Amino acid sequence: NAGVTQTPKFRVLKTGQSMTLLCAQDMNHEYMYWYRQDPGMGLRLIHYSVGEGTTAKGEVPDGYNVSRLKKQNFLLGLESAAPSQTSVYFCASSYEPTGDSGDTQYFGPGTRLTVL
Amino acid sequence: EDQVTQSPEALRLQEGESSSLNCSYTVSGLRGLFWYRQDPGKGPEFLFTLYSAGEEKEKERLKATLTKKESFLHITAPKPEDSATYLCAVPGSNQGGKLIFGQGTELSVKP
Repeated sequence: NAGVTQTPKFRVLKTGQSMTLLCAQDMNHEYMYWYRQDPGMGLRLIHYSVGEGTTAKGEVPDGYNVSRLKKQNFLLGLESAAPSQTSVYFCASSYEPTGDSGDTQYFGPGTRLTVL
Repeated sequence: EDQVTQSPEALRLQEGESSSLNCSYTVSGLRGLFWYRQDPGKGPEFLFTLYSAGEEKEKERLKATLTKKESFLHITAPKPEDSATYLCAVPGSNQGGKLIFGQGTELSVKP
């Protein structure tokens, strides 16, 4: 039981390049989330999914796209990377919506992305 | 607007010196308050969930409490291994199970 895994762990891009971050969970969770973490800003939600085939925007969605083709995977794409997207990206998952006695969110180890 | 504020930003303690971290929140209808621990280079790790004012939960040297406006994470006789960033979060008012995080408190415990 690996929990939540993220690929890759580190990446350096040049401005304008594209890439996809992969998140996988083996806990059969319905809900999956992508956050970014920047110094002094805390964790901010980029996009999330409430089930296979669904996605929705979070707090800071601009410049990112996501897909949830399989229940266990949640992909985060950067079509044209910008230096402002330099950050640490975390994926999380939960069985139920967080809150109302629901499940907590379980986080992956993160991907450190630098855009030059 | 949903908001979570943590204080202090950083806290340095000597081993055995007890203290508290604060998390104040503004949200329409609290549906839980979550505490996480984050070690450098790792993802947040779940510690506690509190649902109603007056509720308390404990784990080793940590005790979390909740009022109608804020939560405290009390650390009793801390050890160097308690050094980490502590995050608190609340579910947002909108649906989807989204969490609103505070900026975190970076705790350093020196031997």
